Amino acid sequence: QKEVEQNSGPLSVPEGAIASLNCTYSDRGSQSFFWYRQYSGKSPELIMFIYSNGDKEDGRFTAQLNKASQYVSLLIRDSQPSDSATYLCAVRPLSSNTGKLIFGQGTTLQVKP
Amino acid sequence: ETGVTQTPRHLVMGMTNKKSLKCEQHLGHNAMYWYKQSAKKPLELMFVYSLEERVENNSVPSRFSPECPNSSHLFLHLHTLQPEDSALYLCASSQRRTQDEQFFGPGTRLTVL
Repeated sequence: QKEVEQNSGPLSVPEGAIASLNCTYSDRGSQSFFWYRQYSGKSPELIMFIYSNGDKEDGRFTAQLNKASQYVSLLIRDSQPSDSATYLCAVRPLSSNTGKLIFGQGTTLQVKP
Repeated sequence: ETGVTQTPRHLVMGMTNKKSLKCEQHLGHNAMYWYKQSAKKPLELMFVYSLEERVENNSVPSRFSPECPNSSHLFLHLHTLQPEDSALYLCASSQRRTQDEQFFGPGTRLTVL
């Protein structure tokens, strides 16, 4: 089992729709969860982080965490073509005291005009 | 310069060459990281430095040699690389090694012939 799993996609949504990106992780004790956006040929850019169960909203983005199900998701409301990118889920294992993050393979999102 | 910078942005080298990648952060952070991103594979942590001390070596071959002379600069020295080492090498920094938000530089695209 991979430590952090994401569906590689592509996930295709029409402009204005809600895009839902999902991530599962294997380390039940993980405490910190991150979503990065990576445009083609560019480096990852931090979008959101979440530490507690429930929802965290920032503008059009909402991160959702369910530790019991070992599941974290990212919702993008009113999707725009500029949101087309690869979204990386990252998890900080409980065992790490060095800042180590484990990344998923990423989900490619395509927002069609 | 702001944020995290990396030089060179592109590098082509033969298997017998020796080269170095440079990373500089202008954020006043105390922890710096090297990651490797290969095609179709998750972003993979290589090394972590906190206050110039290496605190994580993620089973990286000895042909990669990191150096952190101060908290603002990080180098990755390369020698006798293999073609499978061709990848995007990303540097990141965070305020403290246990401070979770990591900010990435633009990366160096390395090709080993």
